[in-house]
Amino acid sequence: SQQGEEDPQALSIQEGENATMNCSYKTSINNLQWYRQNSGRGLVHLILIRSNEREKHSGRLRVTLDTSKKSSSLLITASRAADTASYFCATDSDAAGNKLTFGGGTRVLVKP
Amino acid sequence: GAGVSQTPSNKVTEKGKYVELRCDPISGHTALYWYRQSLGQGPEFLIYFQGTGAADDSGLPNDRFFAVRPEGSVSTLKIQRTERGDSAVYLCASSSSGGKGELFFGEGSRLTVL
Repeated sequence: SQQGEEDPQALSIQEGENATMNCSYKTSINNLQWYRQNSGRGLVHLILIRSNEREKHSGRLRVTLDTSKKSSSLLITASRAADTASYFCATDSDAAGNKLTFGGGTRVLVKP
Repeated sequence: GAGVSQTPSNKVTEKGKYVELRCDPISGHTALYWYRQSLGQGPEFLIYFQGTGAADDSGLPNDRFFAVRPEGSVSTLKIQRTERGDSAVYLCASSSSGGKGELFFGEGSRLTVL
């Protein structure tokens, strides 16, 4: 079963626009991570936000976390064609925080 | 090595055959994970090693699946009596701090069972 569920499942935008995707999860977490996957490749870690944090930035990425709603959002600002990829949220679903469970992903297409 | 290495990158086999998939993690990473990813879906957890021991194998779908990490470094995922439903990309990841931190993924082994 998957802990996180991303929304939307797919997103198509023009270069320069912002892309926003959401992740909802079911159980309490220690942290939430976002990963990116280019077609046919492995996943690459983007950002980690801890349960006591509400917002975090990394370059053009902005992540928010609302533990009361059990949800997170990933915003990519000023998107580029190279941002075309699938984006996954992952939560630690065990008490020790060792097991990451991934959502189904949001497929983002940035058109030049 | 520079990153997580998985071999083979592609494996085509016939139903009922035995398959081994290998993962060479980043040197010094004590945590190693196996995930399975079907087309259009997110990675599905299979098993997690801390050192040589399987700390959590709750994601292995049935007893046809088994994984080992005898020396705490390289891991092998073994699938017996393969079925068509086993076709997927098998991803390996390693970490220096378990799920509390970043996982470093390999490129995956694509398994096709005919």
